[in-house]
Amino acid sequence: GESVGLHLPTLSVQEGDNSIINCAYSNSASDYFIWYKQESGKGPQFIIDIRSNMDKRQGQRVTVLLNKTVKHLSLQIAATQPGDSAVYFCAEMGWGSQGNLIFGKGTKLSVKP
Amino acid sequence: DTAVSQTPKYLVTQMGNDKSIKCEQNLGHDTMYWYKQDSKKFLKIMFSYNNKELIINETVPNRFSPKSPDKAHLNLHINSLELGDSAVYFCASSQGIRDSAYEQYFGPGTRLTVT
Repeated sequence: GESVGLHLPTLSVQEGDNSIINCAYSNSASDYFIWYKQESGKGPQFIIDIRSNMDKRQGQRVTVLLNKTVKHLSLQIAATQPGDSAVYFCAEMGWGSQGNLIFGKGTKLSVKP
Repeated sequence: DTAVSQTPKYLVTQMGNDKSIKCEQNLGHDTMYWYKQDSKKFLKIMFSYNNKELIINETVPNRFSPKSPDKAHLNLHINSLELGDSAVYFCASSQGIRDSAYEQYFGPGTRLTVT
């Protein structure tokens, strides 16, 4: 069964606000985590990744936080823009899994102008 | 200059037919994947090939058969199509299967509808 899930299936935010998308994972052996963005009618697009030896990683307007104690992953988007509207997936991979990414259910982010 | 391309983008067919979806990547990657995304947006890996060799084969019916003629191509052939096969199928590729080489690039998807 799935080992990765999301707390909020939908999230609606005002343009300019910060967004936080959460993800819970159950496999403590997972050591690599990725966030993907999927726009309507397109394939998933890599946003940011983090390894289990880190608890925070920042990109351009995005930050991923990893809390291994409670097996929780979050994606923070600063100054959310209409172009950020999409479905966001977290995915995990365990050591030795040979590239087998396990995706969570996805959260739909809607940005109101 | 599309990195990962799939054909066709839409495929409508009847139950019992056999169909193929083609995937090509021009990134020079040595690992390619097929994923299935259902109507609830759940994305699940089906197959993975590394240097033309099968390395992941999830629980997928034998009616699905991937074929990798070379490192740049991974095609998906489906026999005796069933209604439950209706989904969006994504091809992806990556340079490796671990860590910093792992970033997977996805194609635009093929929406398969079985009637």
